[in-house]
Amino acid sequence: DTAVSQTPKYLVTQMGNDKSIKCEQNLGHDTMYWYKQDSKKFLKIMFSYNNKELIINETVPNRFSPKSPDKAHLNLHINSLELGDSAVYFCASSPGTAGTGELFFGEGSRLTVL
Amino acid sequence: GESVGLHLPTLSVQEGDNSIINCAYSNSASDYFIWYKQESGKGPQFIIDIRSNMDKRQGQRVTVLLNKTVKHLSLQIAATQPGDSAVYFCAENRYSGYSTLTFGKGTMLLVSP
Repeated sequence: DTAVSQTPKYLVTQMGNDKSIKCEQNLGHDTMYWYKQDSKKFLKIMFSYNNKELIINETVPNRFSPKSPDKAHLNLHINSLELGDSAVYFCASSPGTAGTGELFFGEGSRLTVL
Repeated sequence: GESVGLHLPTLSVQEGDNSIINCAYSNSASDYFIWYKQESGKGPQFIIDIRSNMDKRQGQRVTVLLNKTVKHLSLQIAATQPGDSAVYFCAENRYSGYSTLTFGKGTMLLVSP
């Protein structure tokens, strides 16, 4: 059973298009995240939701819009894709009450913008 | 797969050796420090954490050391195996009802049989 699953795993698209990445977790966690990993492997937080409420919104272009229909799902929609958006996007979740920093990551969605 | 010219700090060891991966952190207010392992094509995976009021914690084949004086964190892997080959990240967590992780730059560990 996959704990945190993201779809699609690979996404190749043209500049200017709009695309979405979906994420679901079956761990019963309260908090979900989107991270972006660039070509140098640097991982940076983009958004976090706790029980469907946005709690972290880092400096990210407003072309990126997260949506959490329920606490088990966090989707990422990107408008007007640019070349610099090419990266691997990771969804993660954590129990709301755990302070240790143990996040459970999905396998990633590799976005390539041509 | 890995990008050409990734230029991650790389540690190359022989199977059976002990490995030490180092990390400098910046935020003295962090509550926990954590090590993650990322294998090629996969998401980061939690290895071990240490609370900020401790200086050493041991797990199975791994030990994390925290030196708050110089803001330094290290991960020691005993009897390194080829399956340990991966990129390792340190991270800091400031907890305020939810975890806010800041990741450091990764270190690639290459284990030769």
